[in-house]
Amino acid sequence: GNSVTQMEGPVTLSEEAFLTINCTYTATGYPSLFWYVQYPGEGLQLLLKATKADDKGSNKGFEATYRKETTSFHLEKGSVQVSDSAVYFCALSGGSARQLTFGSGTQLTVLP
Amino acid sequence: GAVVSQHPSRVICKSGTSVKIECRSLDFQATTMFWYRQFPKKSLMLMATSNEGSKATYEQGVEKDKFLINHASLTLSTLTVTSAHPEDSSFYICSAPSPGTSGMDTQYFGPGTRLTVL
Repeated sequence: GNSVTQMEGPVTLSEEAFLTINCTYTATGYPSLFWYVQYPGEGLQLLLKATKADDKGSNKGFEATYRKETTSFHLEKGSVQVSDSAVYFCALSGGSARQLTFGSGTQLTVLP
Repeated sequence: GAVVSQHPSRVICKSGTSVKIECRSLDFQATTMFWYRQFPKKSLMLMATSNEGSKATYEQGVEKDKFLINHASLTLSTLTVTSAHPEDSSFYICSAPSPGTSGMDTQYFGPGTRLTVL
């Protein structure tokens, strides 16, 4: 079946630091890949997505590239801000599965 | 963008009682909604798919008689935790697919409901 593994947190960075949150997946077929973000007290929001190999999703300075050869979809941002503090979830959808399969989430805290 | 609300945001109940959680799509219609459960420091686990006008589809291992789902209208799905016990304490999240998408890839999520069973 499908599964998603993402790096455990929590991750604490200083403002303007470089961010990487690793995500790898196992899936049959050709899944779509997503990063969702959950700010404190709010619901999950789609941050970015990629639907095929070598696609790069980007939004709000965040980027992730769909790497089929390494089955990865790592999230990166060159310079984080305090407002980026949230929980980040990697997820996939595809093949015969209509629903999303989530990773365990990574708590990011950015200090001023 | 599309908004999904949940009510209540948190609830505390005694063991043996039933609790109803509502999920509403505020500005779009959703023939399908999804219910997830999230344990501390764990991933979201899909519990069931709520289908308007028909029975919900439950994931393997989820007790149908314990977690009753009713999709009463195109904007409302309810999850009732019956005869709740402390092990049912968790964070329950609903979602609905964004309007116009084929398949269920992009979803809008509610803010979640924290259930604590004493």
